[in-house]
Amino acid sequence: AQSVAQPEDQVNVAEGNPLTVKCTYSVSGNPYLFWYVQYPNRGLQFLLKYITGDNLVKGSYGFEAEFNKSQTSFHLKKPSALVSDSALYFCAVRESGAGSYQLTFGKGTKLSVIP
Amino acid sequence: EPEVTQTPSHQVTQMGQEVILRCVPISNHLYFYWYRQILGQKVEFLVSFYNNEISEKSEIFDDQFSVERPDGSNFTLKIRSTKLEDSAMYFCASSEEASPYEQYFGPGTRLTVT
Repeated sequence: AQSVAQPEDQVNVAEGNPLTVKCTYSVSGNPYLFWYVQYPNRGLQFLLKYITGDNLVKGSYGFEAEFNKSQTSFHLKKPSALVSDSALYFCAVRESGAGSYQLTFGKGTKLSVIP
Repeated sequence: EPEVTQTPSHQVTQMGQEVILRCVPISNHLYFYWYRQILGQKVEFLVSFYNNEISEKSEIFDDQFSVERPDGSNFTLKIRSTKLEDSAMYFCASSEEASPYEQYFGPGTRLTVT
């Protein structure tokens, strides 16, 4: 069975500072990994994904994520946080080649960027 | 930019009543999904749908649930006889292909069963 852990319920960071939102995963085979963001009263918005290849993936709004196979991690990063980045962030995984298309989500991390 | 839309945004119903949640996926997408999020819990997969049939469903998706694509644009989730524990935010999603394309989510329908 596949699973995702987001160890931090909340991350606070000052505007302009780098941010990291952590995610670890578990799948039987190779993972497809995704980050989504949810703003209040909005749906889940796709940020970026890792499928294969370069371990550093760049996505929307200046976000990037680093895939680390040995640590089974896929942490979300941004070099300089904006107040508008404050939102709920979800990491998700599905196993490649498993014939299953369902995404398994973490419980989410609330990011607060302090002006 | 194309979006997945869902109606209604909030539905209140009494226990035992039937509800239908509606979604309009992105027009050129072929795969459709329903997820739900009970307040304070994880987003959970319910069902995926392709070529007018269910391709995968979770344990949550029991006989009380059904999905349908009644026309070329709508994708619906029906709960036949709602229970209190069905109260949740229900998200519809669609993807262009199954793998490894990202799924695009709608804004959700908040279902409250009283």
